[in-house]
Amino acid sequence: GENVGLHLPTLSVQEGDNSIINCAYSNSASDYFIWYKQESGKGPQFIIDIRSNMDKRQGQRVTVLLNKTVKHLSLQIAATQPGDSAVYFCAEISDSSYKLIFGSGTRLLVRP
Amino acid sequence: GAGVSQSPSNKVTEKGKDVELRCDPISGHTALYWYRQRLGQGLEFLIYFQGNSAPDKSGLPSDRFSAERTGESVSTLTIQRTQQEDSAVYLCASSRRPSGNSPLHFGNGTRLTVT
Repeated sequence: GENVGLHLPTLSVQEGDNSIINCAYSNSASDYFIWYKQESGKGPQFIIDIRSNMDKRQGQRVTVLLNKTVKHLSLQIAATQPGDSAVYFCAEISDSSYKLIFGSGTRLLVRP
Repeated sequence: GAGVSQSPSNKVTEKGKDVELRCDPISGHTALYWYRQRLGQGLEFLIYFQGNSAPDKSGLPSDRFSAERTGESVSTLTIQRTQQEDSAVYLCASSRRPSGNSPLHFGNGTRLTVT
């Protein structure tokens, strides 16, 4: 399959540890943010989203944190598993737009 | 229900030939998007459809690229006179609404290789 993430920054973590993936977004007017996971040979898969009126949102084993002051978004994965190995993209959009803008991505490697 | 479906999953073509890529969005999704992803890189916006109209085609790389959509259903992306630089994965996504609060759902893409 396709080798997604060939030239991307890589985060390597031990299985069972927590992972934190960071993203700096570009548009201070963005209202809605999404994290996607992309496995090799597949399209991006929705993980979790957050609106700009929130600073934290939790899902199953994942938490997204939003700091609008410094335009920073992070994805925390608890108890990282081998199946979490993938490329992770943040994406942003404003309510006045239709165009979802993607960040450059981070490759997560989970060591057994 | 079924997700976004794209065909073919892989396409190898000779430089100068035309190709047509197909996307079947999730039923009921009014918004449809095409993105391009080069190897090891992020997603580059190409075009967006609301229904069968395309209010923004500014992401299309050149006039060799065109796209159309039938109603709120199938979309095709056509690349004429393909060049080697067109080699990439072409991803289609759909959403219930075109903007915030409605995440895009992606297909698995068509990997285009121009030889």
